Amino acid sequence: DIQMTQSPSSLSASVGDRVTITCRASQDISNYLNWYQQKPGKAPKLLIYAASSLQSGVPSRFSGSGSGTDFTLTISSLQPEDFATYYCQQSYSTPRLAFGGGTKVEIK
Amino acid sequence: QLQLRESGPGLVKPSETLSLTCTVSGDSISSRSYYWGWIRQPPGKGLEWIGSIYFSGSTYYNPSLNSRVTILVDTSKNQFSLRLTSVTRADTGLYYCARHGIAASGPSLNDWGQGHLVTVSS
Repeated sequence: DIQMTQSPSSLSASVGDRVTITCRASQDISNYLNWYQQKPGKAPKLLIYAASSLQSGVPSRFSGSGSGTDFTLTISSLQPEDFATYYCQQSYSTPRLAFGGGTKVEIK
Repeated sequence: QLQLRESGPGLVKPSETLSLTCTVSGDSISSRSYYWGWIRQPPGKGLEWIGSIYFSGSTYYNPSLNSRVTILVDTSKNQFSLRLTSVTRADTGLYYCARHGIAASGPSLNDWGQGHLVTVSS
């Protein structure tokens, strides 16, 4: 089974900050990596697929990079609506899926 | 527009069976382009994939839950369902149904239900 590890588990940042979240896979997953944003009481929202492709309607301040085992989600300038929890998820073994543990982005 | 809606009991007793149904509208569950899955989230914790089904009935389960999980599809009702046996308090959480693409390189879980809270308690 593929295991996904995110870091950090939480971070504090200010509006306007550049934020980076990392995700590591336990084996090579090529670029089959997705990123989600989840706000309290809501279902997760797909932000990025195939490691770096922005889902339609997602602001361009979100970007993803990486391949193989190491991936990054970057928010170039944090906005008030971006305070949320972010999850990575591998789709290499689709339909068998696996999520990272999540990164909570809080207001400093 | 695609909509997924979970339904079922909100309270289940320990050792009993949790049963949920996801009703799909706005698309056919017989689409060859998607799997239909269940994901859960314990209170204050992260997301866990439970399993997925294809319209043909082929199923794929999380190995950690494999012995307790059954997912079925009913194409005539455009629904799929989840059964989780021998539940404990650790099975308490929000249960989501979702649609995900068959292509590993495409958008994965792009469509979700609103979630259904299940509490395991006597």
